[in-house]
Amino acid sequence: GDSVTQMEGPVTLSEEAFLTINCTYTATGYPSLFWYVQYPGEGLQLLLKATKADDKGSNKGFEATYRKETTSFHLEKGSVQVSDSAVYFCALSGSGGTSYGKLTFGQGTILTVHP
Amino acid sequence: EAGVVQSPRYKIIEKKQPVAFWCNPISGHNTLYWYLQNLGQGPELLIRYENEEAVDDSQLPKDRFSAERLKGVDSTLKIQPAELGDSAVYLCASSQGPIPQETQYFGPGTRLLVL
Repeated sequence: GDSVTQMEGPVTLSEEAFLTINCTYTATGYPSLFWYVQYPGEGLQLLLKATKADDKGSNKGFEATYRKETTSFHLEKGSVQVSDSAVYFCALSGSGGTSYGKLTFGQGTILTVHP
Repeated sequence: EAGVVQSPRYKIIEKKQPVAFWCNPISGHNTLYWYLQNLGQGPELLIRYENEEAVDDSQLPKDRFSAERLKGVDSTLKIQPAELGDSAVYLCASSQGPIPQETQYFGPGTRLLVL
């Protein structure tokens, strides 16, 4: 079945540091890929998405590129802020069979940014 | 536009008691999802509705869990009887349709503690 693997966390950075959170996936066909973010005390929010190979999703300075050849969707930001402290989830939505339209999530990565 | 609404936000019950969660999706969203999120993990799908029909309930433990979406709008998820292992966050999400490219919008969740 479909699966998503995120880098082990938590991640602790200083403000203005470069961020990378790795995400790889296993799925048949052509899934859509998502990054969701969960701020403390809040629900899951969509951060960005990409629906086909080589697409780049971007939002709030975050970027991720859908790499089918490496089955990856790594999240990056050039300069993090304290307000970026949250839990980040990589997810895929399957494109066929019983996985069609079903979101499969990674385990989440806790990001803490210090001033 | 109002987001996905869930109630209650928190619930504490004793084991073997029944409990119910309510969800109102974003207006116009035909697809509704219930997810279970254990501590430190990503959400896992319990059930998906297309209008009134449950089209994917393969992960729903049917011996104690039930769900309904009678008029194709709001939905209720019930547990009877609750067990200690049911302590988790129950998330509701909605989307315009079931296709993989559609974004799922999440509610704030109901945090359940079973004592």
